[in-house]
Amino acid sequence: SAVISQKPSRDICQRGTSLTIQCQVDSQVTMMFWYRQQPGQSLTLIATANQGSEATYESGFVIDKFPISRPNLTFSTLTVSNMSPEDSSIYLCSVRDRGTYGYTFGSGTRLTVV
Amino acid sequence: AQKVTQAQTEISVVEKEDVTLDCVYETRDTTYYLFWYKQPPSGELVFLIRRNSFDEQNEISGRYSWNFQKSTSSFNFTITASQVVDSAVYFCALSEWGFTEANSKLTFGKGITLSVRP
Repeated sequence: SAVISQKPSRDICQRGTSLTIQCQVDSQVTMMFWYRQQPGQSLTLIATANQGSEATYESGFVIDKFPISRPNLTFSTLTVSNMSPEDSSIYLCSVRDRGTYGYTFGSGTRLTVV
Repeated sequence: AQKVTQAQTEISVVEKEDVTLDCVYETRDTTYYLFWYKQPPSGELVFLIRRNSFDEQNEISGRYSWNFQKSTSSFNFTITASQVVDSAVYFCALSEWGFTEANSKLTFGKGITLSVRP
């Protein structure tokens, strides 16, 4: 299965600033998924990113707040813009393994906004 | 729309007890996949099992076993002889894996926090 390197692993940011999270996959994948996990909550899908096209956002998430880039088949970034304390969460990227029908997750970015 | 319900929120057991984590799902698809993930305090998601909708065989892996019942739309997870290291949040998830990638997202349940006391 794919191996994902996600950076940074954690960060503490000032409100009003932006943070870009990177995910690098060791193999080419068509789709990448970005999830948010608020404290004590489950994982919620933010958006699905295909290479070469705009990301598809889930209800409640907008591109201005969570812009995503997908420049090639092994890399994606998620930016959390104009942050507020409510954005404090773990953010995870994920890819689907076509061979096994499973999903691999990055190790997560633990974001605290102060 | 797909939905995963984990009615139990927190479970506390004493080491060596058996514990069952419940998962009930809803989907309109006939082809789907069910998953269990473990999330220890460190935060990473650890894959435990994947089951497709056509395979109702129960599975055992060491102290872990899974009971898939399509008739009741349930995919329950049992840990036998629990250990302190089993303490974590456990998520059940569903993917409607159709013929297009558009519906291949994972939907998670709310998770069950399992605490195993020595």
